[in-house]
Amino acid sequence: GAGVSQSPSNKVTEKGKDVELRCDPISGHTALYWYRQSLGQGLEFLIYFQGNSAPDKSGLPSDRFSAERTGGSVSTLTIQRTQQEDSAVYLCASSTTWTAEGYFGPGTRLLVL
Amino acid sequence: DQQVKQNSPSLSVQEGRISILNCDYTNSMFDYFLWYKKYPAEGPTFLISISSIKDKNEDGRFTVFLNKSAKHLSLHIVPSQPGDSAVYFCAASSEGSNYKLTFGKGTLLTVNP
Repeated sequence: GAGVSQSPSNKVTEKGKDVELRCDPISGHTALYWYRQSLGQGLEFLIYFQGNSAPDKSGLPSDRFSAERTGGSVSTLTIQRTQQEDSAVYLCASSTTWTAEGYFGPGTRLLVL
Repeated sequence: DQQVKQNSPSLSVQEGRISILNCDYTNSMFDYFLWYKKYPAEGPTFLISISSIKDKNEDGRFTVFLNKSAKHLSLHIVPSQPGDSAVYFCAASSEGSNYKLTFGKGTLLTVNP
């Protein structure tokens, strides 16, 4: 497909477990973003990757959250020791330049029990 | 503290009429504003944007107006169509970190046939 893909689409986990969320950006897009949307809230910026530059991690809510982008393509968002407040839809987006009009994937709906 | 506010959680209009979605912001450093549309189970889709050097930007049925002194922007959809029914998010960014969007909570627009 031509769009941003994310997997899994849904994830249910128990409190305290680690989870990995995957994002496959559009081919050729150098910029990749992670956002999350908690219930009834707007999207919240988490992290931004641009080419080989150091990522902007300023939106990560705690040190339990980390993200990698391997080979300038696929990205993985890892949440360690999940908490119930981590329950949200995690959205990934990519774009060709510094512009903010990224193409979003469908998201991963995470539920922490 | 919410820096981008969409005070109307929902809006209902008749097909063919005008839809006006409103957004207020508090951060005077914001200089770029965007509107996204989101259907259920899909990621947000970029609709239209406006830079702070302009007060109006038009793209087909969609027009965004920016009132910097009031820190207010609005999205006009004319004429509204049933396919426009979705959640609309207002977002803003500032120079130097234009990839880092701050989103409102969204407004659910329903266009009735």
